[in-house]
Amino acid sequence: AQSVTQLDSHVSVSEGTPVLLRCNYSSSYSPSLFWYVQHPNKGLQLLLKYTSAATLVKGINGFEAEFKKSETSFHLTKPSAHMSDAAEYFCVVSPRDSNYQLIWGAGTKLIIKP
Amino acid sequence: EAQVTQNPRYLITVTGKKLTVTCSQNMNHEYMSWYRQDPGLGLRQIYYSMNVEVTDKGDVPEGYKVSRKEKRNFPLILESPSPNQTSLYFCASSPSGPYSPLHFGNGTRLTVT
Repeated sequence: AQSVTQLDSHVSVSEGTPVLLRCNYSSSYSPSLFWYVQHPNKGLQLLLKYTSAATLVKGINGFEAEFKKSETSFHLTKPSAHMSDAAEYFCVVSPRDSNYQLIWGAGTKLIIKP
Repeated sequence: EAQVTQNPRYLITVTGKKLTVTCSQNMNHEYMSWYRQDPGLGLRQIYYSMNVEVTDKGDVPEGYKVSRKEKRNFPLILESPSPNQTSLYFCASSPSGPYSPLHFGNGTRLTVT
């Protein structure tokens, strides 16, 4: 069965320090992978996506993620956190063997300390 | 401005009283979808539509109906709402399916008492 696990429900970092949000997936086939961000009281926005091209994917607002097939991971990173990064982040998998289905992680709330 | 518009933003209703949440997009997108968001569960897909008159079930379709009579509109219908349908609902659209970026509405917070 396909699944997505976000390893931390909450991550707290100080402004200016690196951010690491962890995501592991389970998929029978080589999947497409996404990170979406949800700011408070807002809809969701695509941060970045992996679709079998380069394994290091750059997204908006300085975020990037690396696809590691051997570890079945797709962790999201940013070198230096900004207060505006405070939001909830979702890792999403689209298994290649499914039609139009997305499997969402439970989300990680990123807290930025001044 | 390109957008997905959901109405209403907030809705409080009672068990069994039929309701409709509207969703409209102005980007000529083929794909539209409904999700519900519950704490600790992420987003779960209710229904999706690849084109006019083509709809299919997602992960949690029970208790919901949809229709896609026009490309721009994709209403979500709860024929007989129950308290376990209290949730935050999102409509999303994309040009060609979930592999292209989804554009989300601002959400509808539904409370069923």
